[in-house]
Amino acid sequence: QKEVEQNSGPLSVPEGAIASLNCTYSDRGSQSFFWYRQYSGKSPELIMFIYSNGDKEDGRFTAQLNKASQYVSLLIRDSQPSDSATYLCAVREDNQGGKLIFGQGTELSVKP
Amino acid sequence: EADIYQTPRYLVIGTGKKITLECSQTMGHDKMYWYQQDPGMELHLIHYSYGVNSTEKGDLSSESTVSRIRTEHFPLTLESARPSHTSQYLCASSESGGLQHFGDGTRLSIL
Repeated sequence: QKEVEQNSGPLSVPEGAIASLNCTYSDRGSQSFFWYRQYSGKSPELIMFIYSNGDKEDGRFTAQLNKASQYVSLLIRDSQPSDSATYLCAVREDNQGGKLIFGQGTELSVKP
Repeated sequence: EADIYQTPRYLVIGTGKKITLECSQTMGHDKMYWYQQDPGMELHLIHYSYGVNSTEKGDLSSESTVSRIRTEHFPLTLESARPSHTSQYLCASSESGGLQHFGDGTRLSIL
């Protein structure tokens, strides 16, 4: 059974700090990684994705992949209270053509 | 922004009723998915489809059924609702090898 693990948190950071969220995965052959943000009572929203060929930066968000250690990170710079949400890590089962395996999510709280 | 629509957004209904949750997407995506999520808990894949007339059960056993007669439409049906079916149901779609986007979800409450 392929697995994706996240620390459920809550992770609490002060406003303006860097929030670092981590996710480990069990399938060494995984090549596609996704970060979703889910506000309470809302559906998940895709915010970042990376493939095995490198890291990615988009505004305040950076996704990093460490293939050797089988973990993927999401860094949020200059954290804002509006970033407070649950962040879901997902890994695609490429041999299945599209299914994602989701972690249980990390709750982030950014304190003003 | 993905165009994927779920109706109803909220449904409160009595035990034993037959329920159909609707999910439609206008992007021509081949792949569609149904997830179940209880408040504060993780997402569980309950059904998926890779195209018309193709449906598969997901990782979490569910008493619901699905159909895929048209590319854009992927309804989920509960023949006889029970309180244990109370949850949020999320539909998602993606093109082949593409990114998966979610609808707004249906909050189902069975009395």
